[in-house]
Amino acid sequence: DAKTTQPPSMDCAEGRAANLPCNHSTISGNEYVYWYRQIHSQGPQYIIHGLKNNETNEMASLIITEDRKSSTLILPHATLRDTAVYYCIVRASAYGNKLVFGAGTILRVKS
Amino acid sequence: DTGVSQNPRHKITKRGQNVTFRCDPISEHNRLYWYRQTLGQGPEFLTYFQNEAQLEKSRLLSDRFSAERPKGSFSTLEIQRTEQGDSAMYLCASSPRDGLYEQYFGPGTRLTVT
Repeated sequence: DAKTTQPPSMDCAEGRAANLPCNHSTISGNEYVYWYRQIHSQGPQYIIHGLKNNETNEMASLIITEDRKSSTLILPHATLRDTAVYYCIVRASAYGNKLVFGAGTILRVKS
Repeated sequence: DTGVSQNPRHKITKRGQNVTFRCDPISEHNRLYWYRQTLGQGPEFLTYFQNEAQLEKSRLLSDRFSAERPKGSFSTLEIQRTEQGDSAMYLCASSPRDGLYEQYFGPGTRLTVT
């Protein structure tokens, strides 16, 4: 699976949008971009995934650049409960089904 | 609650003892995964099952570790002759069918080896 690079930590004010970047410059054409998050003392939670097009669900939006070498996860109105470690993962079915986690980004939402 | 459940949530054991953890996946999810997470790191893949078949094992899974999924339902992860380096959070996840479906994680079992 392609490697990803994320900033180690970010802060965001409550109620504002949180924009979490991810670099995946070696991504292949058949690799999807997935985002998971892990709130303290809990298991990881799936957020969203995409291949080429931008995606939106009830939790977040995923913006993938046209060359697919980077992406941004957007939490439109961050709350204190969004404080967590956010993991960007690239994944292809050809590599099996395991998730390969990096260190992620610690997002701290502050009031 | 129909999520993934894991038992026990916490386990403290002495070095050299054997421990066994249990994972109950979401009903009808035929894929089940085990991961290990140490402090400050992301989870690391250990092994996964499709139904009762164990299809992949990480090199992290030494011969002291064994996982089973009899009848394709719940799974157990056993660690024999525990070492202090085995102290970690052991996470279980499940997903439906195959392909690139998202994985649903349980709350984990925290193992402390003294």
